[in-house]
Amino acid sequence: DIQMTQSPSILSASVGDRVTITCRASESITRWLAWYQQKPGKAPKLLIYKASSLESGVPSRFSGSGSGTEFTLTISSLEPDDFATYYCQQYDSYSRTFGQGTKVEIK
Amino acid sequence: QVQLLQSGAEVKKPGASVKVSCKTSGYTFTSYYIHWVRQAPGQGLEWMGWMNPNGGDTYYAQKFQDRVIMTRDTSISTAYMELNRLTSDDTAMYFCARAPTKAATTTAWGQGTLVTVSS
Repeated sequence: DIQMTQSPSILSASVGDRVTITCRASESITRWLAWYQQKPGKAPKLLIYKASSLESGVPSRFSGSGSGTEFTLTISSLEPDDFATYYCQQYDSYSRTFGQGTKVEIK
Repeated sequence: QVQLLQSGAEVKKPGASVKVSCKTSGYTFTSYYIHWVRQAPGQGLEWMGWMNPNGGDTYYAQKFQDRVIMTRDTSISTAYMELNRLTSDDTAMYFCARAPTKAATTTAWGQGTLVTVSS
């Protein structure tokens, strides 16, 4: 199975900060990577698919990049609503794998 | 609008089975794959498998292959996930989610069903 490794596990930031989260795949997944945001007690919400495509309705301050084995999620200017946990997920194969998550907390 | 409405919380004893339902509306049930994902308390997301409502074919994560069964009832646009031989490690929130094709990621999710396994 393809393993996904996110870093950092916890990120402390302030409103207005530019934030970057990294996700690495154990083998190439071309661009079959999604990013999700999850808030406590809620289902995950799709932000980015196919590495860099913004899901409809998601603010443009979110962006994704990368290909192969290394990917990033960037929030250009952190807003209060963005404090949450973020997960990457590969969907290159029939099987899917999530990263372990990155919690973005208030500094 | 698209909705995936899951069944209510369950409490089960070790060794028992649980069957969680995911009733869909607002779209053609057979046009979207249904995935199941779980999340243990305070932990990350764990993918369990998918089911194609159009035909019923399934693909399970290796970890669950001998314990999980994903089915559907197209007459009521509902998907089911049954997990057998429960242990305390299966205590988790279970989510269903839909994906437009076998190769796509999930776009809409259910609200989750808490399954607690306790003696």
